[in-house]
Formats: sequence, C-alpha cells, structure tokens
Amino acid sequence: AQSVSQHNHHVILSEAASLELGCNYSYGGTVNLFWYVQYPGQHLQLLLKYFSGDPLVKGIKGFEAEFIKSKFSFNLRKPSVQWSDTAEYFCAVTPGDTGFQKLVFGTGTRLLVSP
Amino acid sequence: NAGVMQNPRHLVRRRGQEARLRCSPMKGHSHVYWYRQLPEEGLKFMVYLQKENIIDESGMPKERFSAEFPKEGPSILRIQQVVRGDSAAYFCASSPPTGNHSPLHFGNGTRLTVT
Repeated sequence: AQSVSQHNHHVILSEAASLELGCNYSYGGTVNLFWYVQYPGQHLQLLLKYFSGDPLVKGIKGFEAEFIKSKFSFNLRKPSVQWSDTAEYFCAVTPGDTGFQKLVFGTGTRLLVSP
Repeated sequence: NAGVMQNPRHLVRRRGQEARLRCSPMKGHSHVYWYRQLPEEGLKFMVYLQKENIIDESGMPKERFSAEFPKEGPSILRIQQVVRGDSAAYFCASSPPTGNHSPLHFGNGTRLTVT
C-alpha cells in the first residue's frame, strides 16, 4: 500500500528564515504529488502539484517543491517565510495512472512562524 | 463563486446516535469525495461519488457508514450508531467532470465529537 511520510510534525521558525519540509512516499510506479496547506480555521488549499515534466515545481505564495525520483521525495521549500505562513502543511500522492482523486496524505507538519 | 460548503462545522453526538454530515460541491462540480482525519493522522480517503452513483467506496468502514449524492441537494455522509472512535474531522472535496486530473477543492470540514 502507498504511504507518505512527513518527517517533522512541528516546525518553529522566525520570520525570514528558510523553510524545508520533508516528504517521502512509498510507491514504485509513476506518481502525482501534491502539497496542500491549511491555514487556521480554513479549508485545505492546493499549494502546488507535480505530475510530469520539470521536477522543480513552483507554487503559490513563493513556495516550490522538488521531485527527486531516486529518493522518492517531494520536499517543500520557501527561501524566506512570513508570519502569514503559519499553517499546517500536508504532502499527498496518487498513483500516476489513477488521476488526482484518491489522495494518500501524510500526517501533516504544523509550521509556526514567529514575528 | 462559493467554495465547497460543509455543514455543520462542529457536531456533537452521544454514543449510539446518528450523525449526518452535508457537503455542497463547488458550482459546476459533479464529483464529490469524503476524507476522514483521525487525531494525529493524515486525511484518509473514504468514498468517491458522482451524482446518484458511488464510484469508489474502498475507504468506507464496512458497517454503520454510508454516503449518497442525490440528483438534487448536497452529498450526505451518514454514520449510524456512532462510537467514540468515530470522533474525527470529516472533509469533503469536489472536482469538475473534466477527467480525472483536476485537483480537488476541499471544504472546511465537519468536526464530529462523540461523547
């Protein structure tokens, strides 16, 4: 069965610090990869997705993620975080041949950015 | 353009009662998905529905849980005879009928507490 591991459950950073959130998945075939964000009191929003092409994906709000197939990883990065980035971040995967619906999520990483 | 609407936001039920969770998809979306997030876990797929059809219910518990998406009205996730272990956040998502590569749009979730 597929699974997604997010290594850090809680991350605390100061504003302007750089961010990298780890995500590893277990699935041998082609995959679609996603990062979702949930701001306090709000719904899950798609930050970025990868399904083919350039493994470096740019998303909204200055986020990017790099798909490294050999490491089964899809880490999320942002060079300089802001207080408004405080949220919970979820990595998710679907097998490449089944579309984007049946997502397998990681347990999430809670990011707290102190001003 | 309203997003995915879920109600209620919070629902408290005593053991043995029934819980009904409602989801209205985004305008123009005819595909609905339900996910459950247990405490300290990632979101887990439950069921995928199109109007009047259950497409994939592989994530639904075998007993007490049912889902429907009628021709008119919202999608309903129904949990009969709730137990404490049903306490969780239940998220609904929707996507348009344009193939299976449209990212999901999530609602704010319903937090069910069973006392």
